[in-house]
Amino acid sequence: ETGVTQTPRHLVMGMTNKKSLKCEQHLGHNAMYWYKQSAKKPLELMFVYNFKEQTENNSVPSRFSPECPNSSHLFLHLHTLQPEDSALYLCASSQDSAPQSEQYFGPGTRLTVT
Amino acid sequence: DAKTTQPPSMDCAEGRAANLPCNHSTISGNEYVYWYRQIHSQGPQYIIHGLKNNETNEMASLIITEDRKSSTLILPHATLRDTAVYYCIVRPLINTGTASKLTFGTGTRLQVTL
Repeated sequence: ETGVTQTPRHLVMGMTNKKSLKCEQHLGHNAMYWYKQSAKKPLELMFVYNFKEQTENNSVPSRFSPECPNSSHLFLHLHTLQPEDSALYLCASSQDSAPQSEQYFGPGTRLTVT
Repeated sequence: DAKTTQPPSMDCAEGRAANLPCNHSTISGNEYVYWYRQIHSQGPQYIIHGLKNNETNEMASLIITEDRKSSTLILPHATLRDTAVYYCIVRPLINTGTASKLTFGTGTRLQVTL
């Protein structure tokens, strides 16, 4: 419905695994975002991409590695995660990264690290 | 530091108007008021935003007080599908570096009942 899709919707991984989250937007937007939403905590911005260039990294640990090959696709590569990284990972897009551009969110990937 | 204050929860009967208040007493002249909602297990959904005039769209109305220190989101005829957590956010008009960041507080959990 929102034009932003995320796969997989659910992921369980061990601490030594490597996995990737995928986000695709069909809205013709130029900015894309990764957010983390942990239980009982507010949404936290992780990364911002504008026209495929990373413009913000909100002090995210290096075990999270984003990739934006084009304006429609955004990946989040995961390796050697910790149990506290278990959360809902949300992708969003907007026309551009200007403050007044409303962001459209995907359904999220529910990640569990065991 | 979400800069907004909202009641933690509200109930509303189906078919009635839901009026969701938000206090943003420290809002500055260059900040918009945005509303998003998050239905359980889904990503946040943009609803509406405004600067100082009242706004209306197909989803809701936004009433901002003259001093801009508070606002009310109105869902004119609430349905069961409107049950969600509603977030009130202030965002600057101009890009101040991390302006693309959406800072969600804890929001108001609206329960629409039969």
